[in-house]
Amino acid sequence: EAGVAQSPRYKIIEKRQSVAFWCNPISGHATLYWYQQILGQGPKLLIQFQNNGVVDDSQLPKDRFSAERLKGVDSTLKIQPAKLEDSAVYLCASSLVKATRTEAFFGQGTRLTVV
Amino acid sequence: AQTVTQSQPEMSVQEAETVTLSCTYDTSESDYYLFWYKQPPSRQMILVIRQEAYKQQNATENRFSVNFQKAAKSFSLKISDSQLGDAAMYFCAYRTVTGTASKLTFGTGTRLQVTL
Repeated sequence: EAGVAQSPRYKIIEKRQSVAFWCNPISGHATLYWYQQILGQGPKLLIQFQNNGVVDDSQLPKDRFSAERLKGVDSTLKIQPAKLEDSAVYLCASSLVKATRTEAFFGQGTRLTVV
Repeated sequence: AQTVTQSQPEMSVQEAETVTLSCTYDTSESDYYLFWYKQPPSRQMILVIRQEAYKQQNATENRFSVNFQKAAKSFSLKISDSQLGDAAMYFCAYRTVTGTASKLTFGTGTRLQVTL
């Protein structure tokens, strides 16, 4: 079974530029999550999708971050414009429909450096 | 709001020895799930073990076991016969079972070093 795929693995941009990350969840997983993990901290949930609908985006900085999940499969997370404090690893995860009863499976993440 | 606390930023264990990583959490829920995830340098989060709050029996997966104390809101991970490959960041995580927007809340992590 293929795992959660993310790209790119690394990205370096200058502040005020824009960047986009892509995630392909495990086939059949209706729930998709984007987490931000700042160095030395645990992952923090940015947004959670159930199919193509948003169920939790309470911690997403909506003035600069946006995310979409077209057709309930792939998802993209965008930052525009980026700030220095956005430097972090961005993790995508997915789980089955009954999300509360199973664990989330994670991709390898994208390390973003904003200079 | 649920919070997860890992009070040990770093731990060290000798190969073949046993180590225990601590985790406490705060919740008003009665039903929830607890997890330990391992994050090696590759950054990919790997599930180590899972505990359902309604189960009194502590979960065990090979060399990994937990000590779940529901009243004390404590969820520690014991690694027996430690191996060099166990070196990684370990995160304790909590998930509520109410509603569809149940998110996974992580602690700040414990870095485990395994020495020869």
